[in-house]
Amino acid sequence: GAGVSQTPSNKVTEKGKYVELRCDPISGHTALYWYRQSLGQGPEFLIYFQGTGAADDSGLPNDRFFAVRPEGSVSTLKIQRTERGDSAVYLCASSASSGTVYNEQFFGPGTRLTVL
Amino acid sequence: GESVGLHLPTLSVQEGDNSIINCAYSNSASDYFIWYKQESGKGPQFIIDIRSNMDKRQGQRVTVLLNKTVKHLSLQIAATQPGDSAVYFCAVPEKFGNQFYFGTGTSLTVIP
Repeated sequence: GAGVSQTPSNKVTEKGKYVELRCDPISGHTALYWYRQSLGQGPEFLIYFQGTGAADDSGLPNDRFFAVRPEGSVSTLKIQRTERGDSAVYLCASSASSGTVYNEQFFGPGTRLTVL
Repeated sequence: GESVGLHLPTLSVQEGDNSIINCAYSNSASDYFIWYKQESGKGPQFIIDIRSNMDKRQGQRVTVLLNKTVKHLSLQIAATQPGDSAVYFCAVPEKFGNQFYFGTGTSLTVIP
């Protein structure tokens, strides 16, 4: 595709519910990143995939957060038992990086999650 | 980990003037730096990068200056235009790692 796409663009849910956020990276990009951006803050790293595997999940705040990338392309960020503090914009980025050199990350528009 | 901070949360400039956005970082071993632009409702967009073996790098209307002695970098935008209104972030990656540390951002407003 032309760029990184994310769906939905907005998600409103109730406290305690389960949500899934989807990211479609640029075709051929092996590296995929999830970030969380709170209001007035810069993006905060959550997890990094190289191919199908989560190479670095050290940014996930707790075990309610989980992400998968089963075929090395589309990724889904899953949040269980959502809390109001999870409200943020969730950004996805992809790059052609192998993870050992710095390559430009291309960001999607984000999914704005609101937990009521 | 890395700590990245911008000096001013907001900046207003007249159209046609030059803009300077500053950023400080904490890790003296950092060797790569990126500036991103984020418009409302969009993801961050790469503007320019610089490696630690350089002091200055120029792009189209933008210049990044790196002062490793005081761990400071700046983004200069020449002849600022209304389309430059956005939030600007500096970002520093983990050395050979996957995490990018972003500053809190400077919101630039261009006054026509």
